[in-house]
Amino acid sequence: QSALTQPASVSGSPGQSITISCIGTSSDVGNYNYVSWYQQHPGKAPKLIIYDVSKRPSGVSSRFSGSKSGNTASLTISGLQAEDEADYYCSSYTSTSSWVFGGGSKLAVL
Amino acid sequence: QVQLVQSGAEVKKPGASVKVSCKASGYSFTSYVIHWVRQAPGQRLEWMGWINPGNGNTKHSEKFQGRVTIISDTSASTAYMELNSLRSEDTAVYYCARATTIFGVAPLDNWGQGTLVTVSS
Repeated sequence: QSALTQPASVSGSPGQSITISCIGTSSDVGNYNYVSWYQQHPGKAPKLIIYDVSKRPSGVSSRFSGSKSGNTASLTISGLQAEDEADYYCSSYTSTSSWVFGGGSKLAVL
Repeated sequence: QVQLVQSGAEVKKPGASVKVSCKASGYSFTSYVIHWVRQAPGQRLEWMGWINPGNGNTKHSEKFQGRVTIISDTSASTAYMELNSLRSEDTAVYYCARATTIFGVAPLDNWGQGTLVTVSS
């Protein structure tokens, strides 16, 4: 199972909005609404921020939102804050009953 | 509160095996799937497999087929991941993570602290 495709890096200024794409195939992202997004700060374990494409776990800021169109899922962060600087990973359930992660995107808040 | 506490760092020689434990507390151990995910230094997250502690069913990534064993001990509320025939490329932080339900499609909402496994001669 190949990794989902994400941009290696994205950047934005405080207060701006950014979107991170996650490109899969019809065997994963395109066929299931089981796409999740994780935030990972350096040296820390990942944190779930979006699941089932667009749902937010309790306690996660409403500034984080998710969507999907075809084989591409997207994470949007609005009103960028310094603490949003982290690595972001998408993941998807697949047709082989397994999971696959994206390559990760490093967000810089300039 | 939900906690997953993993065993400590390991240093292994190429060809050896490593067994990482993940002790769960704060919830019903048999009601949620446990996944194993690893991350090589500076690299992406990589899914390895999951176990349903309720019935012992497992699913592994094809990449690790034949090399990884995932088991659980319900009496100890602990999941284990054993990786055999270690090579330098297996040097990574290994995480256990709990899914939000007993189903394999559920996302991972609680993570262990990670266990660094270093493979070096």
